[in-house]
Amino acid sequence: DAKTTQPTSMDCAEGRAANLPCNHSTISGNEYVYWYRQIHSQGPQYIIHGLKNNETNEMASLIITEDRKSSTLILPHATLRDTAVYYCIVRVATGYSTLTFGKGTMLLVSP
Amino acid sequence: SQTIHQWPATLVQPVGSPLSLECTVEGTSNPNLYWYRQAAGRGLQLLFYSVGIGQISSEVPQNLSASRPQDRQFILSSKKLLLSDSGFYLCAWTREGYGYTFGSGTRLTVV
Repeated sequence: DAKTTQPTSMDCAEGRAANLPCNHSTISGNEYVYWYRQIHSQGPQYIIHGLKNNETNEMASLIITEDRKSSTLILPHATLRDTAVYYCIVRVATGYSTLTFGKGTMLLVSP
Repeated sequence: SQTIHQWPATLVQPVGSPLSLECTVEGTSNPNLYWYRQAAGRGLQLLFYSVGIGQISSEVPQNLSASRPQDRQFILSSKKLLLSDSGFYLCAWTREGYGYTFGSGTRLTVV
């Protein structure tokens, strides 16, 4: 799996949009960008994934640059419950490739 | 729907004692199964993964072993625990067309 680079921590005010960046400059053509988050003392939770088009679901939006070397996870209206460590991971979607976690971004949502 | 069960939730064990953590998946067949560990203040580390009954791949050589006696059962074991085995242990599953789903984790403290 290609490596990713994320900021160590970010702050966001409750109700505002949280934009979490991720650099993956060595991503391969068949690798997807996945986002997971881990709330303290819980297992990681899947958020969203994409290949090259922007994606949106009930939790978040994923914006991938045209060259696919970076992406941004957007939580449109952050709540206190969104406080967690957010992991950006690139991996091949097919087959049985493993999920390699980096250090992620600690997002703190404040009132 | 698919569910993953992991137990126990917490465990305190003395150094030198054996360990057995169990993980089971329901609602799917032929899943890929994974054991991850998260030491205090650190990221998630892949320990073992299995693509089928009796097939175990080890990512990090250490004091632990894994077994898959049945299709949807994954067991993490140790004959003699070390202090450094303390951590948060997570089981996960995936298969073609599905993302990773993690269990709720076992917090192991070796004393």
